Amino acid sequence: DSGVTQTPKHLITATGQRVTLRCSPRSGDLSVYWYQQSLDQGLQFLIQYYNGEERAKGNILERFSAQQFPDLHSELNLSSLELGDSALYFCASSVGFGNTEAFFGQGTRLTVV
Amino acid sequence: GESVGLHLPTLSVQEGDNSIINCAYSNSASDYFIWYKQESGKGPQFIIDIRSNMDKRQGQRVTVLLNKTVKHLSLQIAATQPGDSAVYFCAVGRGGADGLTFGKGTHLIIQP
Repeated sequence: DSGVTQTPKHLITATGQRVTLRCSPRSGDLSVYWYQQSLDQGLQFLIQYYNGEERAKGNILERFSAQQFPDLHSELNLSSLELGDSALYFCASSVGFGNTEAFFGQGTRLTVV
Repeated sequence: GESVGLHLPTLSVQEGDNSIINCAYSNSASDYFIWYKQESGKGPQFIIDIRSNMDKRQGQRVTVLLNKTVKHLSLQIAATQPGDSAVYFCAVGRGGADGLTFGKGTHLIIQP
């Protein structure tokens, strides 16, 4: 168990809908990262937050947004969902904001039908 | 930007043999390198990391080698066991920003 908790584990929703994925980082970790894993693209970095502030952005679509709350948990919001958004979404956390040892959660499997 | 390439999508080894998984990266400014193991249905699990000021680092049964000249890193697993069966990813980072760039992964298969 990495100590990073993601909910829900599975999510099935229809095209055009909006969903929210939740992540609780390990105790003491200030950085949260979101990644998308699909068969064709592999693991892709989406966005990073550090202590409530956006720190770095990767290949995140405009339809997607994230935030980190004062208690350091984070949410990834996906809207106007398309079939191609079906993927595993991982959250990872680390102590610092640099690229240090990051621990991954078990992921949320999103299926858009 | 950064791209991370993979030499073999699948590697099959005999139980007890050593395994070597390779990875190549493109950006010479990258300074942090990490190997993850992902078992089916689970998130990536940290194995070992190395910074650009080192060329070798050892853990328990694992060694990571970094060759900055040719922008190549490898993961060596000694005395491979059935529990080592998984997909192994290398990931590359730079200067504390931009998240990690992952390779596509090598599926390590252990033959009895």
